[in-house]
Amino acid sequence: GPKVLQIPSHQIIDMGQMVTLNCDPVSNHLYFYWYKQILGQQMEFLVNFYNGKVMEKSKLFKDQFSVERPDGSYFTLKIQPTALEDSAVYFCASSLSGWGAETLYFGSGTRLTVL
Amino acid sequence: TQTVSQSDAHVTVFEGDSVELRCNYSYGGSIYLSWYIQHHGRGLQFLLKYYSGNPVVQGVNGFEAEFSKSDSSFHLRKASVHWSDSAVYFCAVRANSGTYQRFGTGTKLQVVP
Repeated sequence: GPKVLQIPSHQIIDMGQMVTLNCDPVSNHLYFYWYKQILGQQMEFLVNFYNGKVMEKSKLFKDQFSVERPDGSYFTLKIQPTALEDSAVYFCASSLSGWGAETLYFGSGTRLTVL
Repeated sequence: TQTVSQSDAHVTVFEGDSVELRCNYSYGGSIYLSWYIQHHGRGLQFLLKYYSGNPVVQGVNGFEAEFSKSDSSFHLRKASVHWSDSAVYFCAVRANSGTYQRFGTGTKLQVVP
């Protein structure tokens, strides 16, 4: 089936550093999402993105977070500077349309550890 | 307040048993409901969804779910589980007026051989 690739799978950084998480969504998909998974279970919505713009963001999407997708390249989540509470697994997802019942396709996640 | 809840954090059953994983929601207006499965160390994979019509929907690998407006529920069922069904299952809800799916806290299903 359609694949979403996330690079890297693991990232360890020191608090205060910048980190960029990369996502290669399904090729013809137009809507992109980041979710944060905490303690191995709770999936929390962070942000979604369409046509070069943020559609909606949650309270977890702090000012230190930003997203972008330059033409034809990765959909990225940047955190600058990082904090200890940013340690989590971050999942990228994409969908073909913004229809409410559209299926989300997820990557395998990036495990971020902030020391 | 829009919420989606999965009351069981863990469910353990024997291989061959039937199982029901519960999902309840609190939303106003039209909604879309989905179930996803997450195997250990992997991303979520779509199982099934409901948005209209027959309240019982069929998904992959013998899973089905039933939408109940009166109970505000969308429980997932399987008649005979296999050890490979061991995973975390997430219920997701999206409001018609919303832009993203909100996930429940997940239910970890353990199937004992």
